[in-house]
Amino acid sequence: DTEVTQTPKHLVMGMTNKKSLKCEQHMGHRAMYWYKQKAKKPPELMFVYSYEKLSINESVPSRFSPECPNSSLLNLHLHALQPEDSALYLCASRDYRGSAPDTQYFGPGTRLTVL
Amino acid sequence: KNEVEQSPQNLTAQEGEFITINCSYSVGISALHWLQQHPGGGIVSLFMLSSGKKKHGRLIATINIQEKHSSLHITASHPRDSAVYICAAYVQGAQKLVFGQGTRLTINP
Repeated sequence: DTEVTQTPKHLVMGMTNKKSLKCEQHMGHRAMYWYKQKAKKPPELMFVYSYEKLSINESVPSRFSPECPNSSLLNLHLHALQPEDSALYLCASRDYRGSAPDTQYFGPGTRLTVL
Repeated sequence: KNEVEQSPQNLTAQEGEFITINCSYSVGISALHWLQQHPGGGIVSLFMLSSGKKKHGRLIATINIQEKHSSLHITASHPRDSAVYICAAYVQGAQKLVFGQGTRLTINP
């Protein structure tokens, strides 16, 4: 199974709402990523979890709060978002092979619209 | 200047043509991904390579570490190949990918 799943596929929320995005993988990968992608742009890295610990935060505003409850699951909690946060949110995972990088597997994304 | 540059940004071709997309990078890398994204869709990794050449079906990816250059070739292109192709590099010592801006490929029947 080389699948990364994300739920929901679409999300519409108001600026005062609290919502969460969910990402799951059962490949035993120990690194998981959140990316934000605006239209016609490449993905921008937001967070990296390595062995369930936050290892990279790319200066993301605190209205985005990641959580890694276990090695298979990654959440992104959203609160008080702005319309400019509307984007496709992608999750990815990869394994470690010593010091060599391994293939990143991407989920299908959650398309978020903030009204 | 981006650390990873792709060309062309847009490419339109007729079905059956041989397609080449180029990627140059200015930093030391440990590996490079070629990714495919269909409109409105998620991202699929086509190849990850750190040297030489890889082939999968009609797709071929090459990398020249000394010249800091990689190419993605599509033989006998088909309208279903229409997508955005992104090269992304693992910078040495980093956990993260540095992305090129993408090449929007359209194959007309």
